[in-house]
Amino acid sequence: AQTVTQSQPEMSVQEAETVTLSCTYDTSENNYYLFWYKQPPSRQMILVIRQEAYKQQNATENRFSVNFQKAAKSFSLKISDSQLGDTAMYFCAFNNNDMRFGAGTRLTVKP
Amino acid sequence: GAVVSQHPSRVICKSGTSVKIECRSLDFQATTMFWYRQFPKQSLMLMATSNEGSKATYEQGVEKDKFLINHASLTLSTLTVTSAHPEDSSFYICSASLLPRHASYEQYFGPGTRLTVT
Repeated sequence: AQTVTQSQPEMSVQEAETVTLSCTYDTSENNYYLFWYKQPPSRQMILVIRQEAYKQQNATENRFSVNFQKAAKSFSLKISDSQLGDTAMYFCAFNNNDMRFGAGTRLTVKP
Repeated sequence: GAVVSQHPSRVICKSGTSVKIECRSLDFQATTMFWYRQFPKQSLMLMATSNEGSKATYEQGVEKDKFLINHASLTLSTLTVTSAHPEDSSFYICSASLLPRHASYEQYFGPGTRLTVT
């Protein structure tokens, strides 16, 4: 079974600074998808970024980028120029038929 | 595009009654819908996967007779919590996928339903 591990229950960062959230996963599959979702206080799940495992190039979406290390089964999220609106729970997810989520990291952006 | 709605957003019911939660894909046809449960300050736990016109596939430990799932059309899936008890109180989230399950890609999430059983 696939497992997703987020080892940082809580993180904080100063506004405009950069923060990296870590995620590791365990799978024997070769083809899969990885995601980072944001869940603000409204609890609506919002897709932040996605990565196809067969692509070596790291995905980037504006201020959000990932460091995908397939051999190490690592998928960290870097948020640059943090904004107050980035405050939320962040979930790393692995998808190969079923979506499996990590325990989440609560990120607080401080003014 | 790819908007998923859930209704109701909040529901309070008495112990022993049943409650139905609807999940709709508003601007696309969802071949597969998923139901999750989220306890406070915890992650999402997959309860079941439903494909239009077929029986839902439940995760281990989820009682299919208690959590009835119907996926009657390509835009609607319902979750019925039967004979609800206080321990069923939780946040329930549905999601929908555009592609067949074996090629699952991205899931689009509904806003969730907070169920409180008194």
